[in-house]
Amino acid sequence: DAKTTQPNSMESNEEEPVHLPCNHSTISGTDYIHWYRQLPSQGPEYVIHGLTSNVNNRMASLAIAEDRKSSTLILHRATLRDAAVYYCILRANSGGSNYKLTFGKGTLLTVNP
Amino acid sequence: EPEVTQTPSHQVTQMGQEVILRCVPISNHLYFYWYRQILGQKVEFLVSFYNNEISEKSEIFDDQFSVERPDGSNFTLKIRSTKLEDSAMYFCASRRQEAGELFFGEGSRLTVL
Repeated sequence: DAKTTQPNSMESNEEEPVHLPCNHSTISGTDYIHWYRQLPSQGPEYVIHGLTSNVNNRMASLAIAEDRKSSTLILHRATLRDAAVYYCILRANSGGSNYKLTFGKGTLLTVNP
Repeated sequence: EPEVTQTPSHQVTQMGQEVILRCVPISNHLYFYWYRQILGQKVEFLVSFYNNEISEKSEIFDDQFSVERPDGSNFTLKIRSTKLEDSAMYFCASRRQEAGELFFGEGSRLTVL
């Protein structure tokens, strides 16, 4: 599996935007970029994913570099509930039933009131 | 909103005992997964299951582990003879066909004494 690199931790203030970076210089052309998060004492939760183009959903935006070697998860207005570990994961597009996510250590996001 | 449900939320067992962890995936989902997270460590893939058979398994998923979908709704993980190192949070996840995201349950905490 291609590897991702994320900062161990980041801090933000409530109601401010947060930009969580991820480097994935060995990404292959068919790898999808996925973001999940894990709130304290809960299971991982899907946030967003993309392949080449920037993506928006109700939770966040995903900005993907033109060369796809890095991406940034953007939370537009952080809330206290957004405090979690955020995982950037590359998923090989092998199709069908093969859909293994390899979690790293992620970025621990602290949101200050 | 539909969700993956897991039981029990916490199980304490003696080393060498058999344990069955149960999951009810989201009803129209076809792909099922087990992951585990040892306290303070990464979320690790164990096994994926589709069309009543294992499609992929990790090195962790040895002969002591098995999975089953005994009826149309439940998906179970059995550990035949538990070891101390099996103590972890076990997460079930499911995915509908051709979808981008996994939906995880809240987890079952297994403590082996």
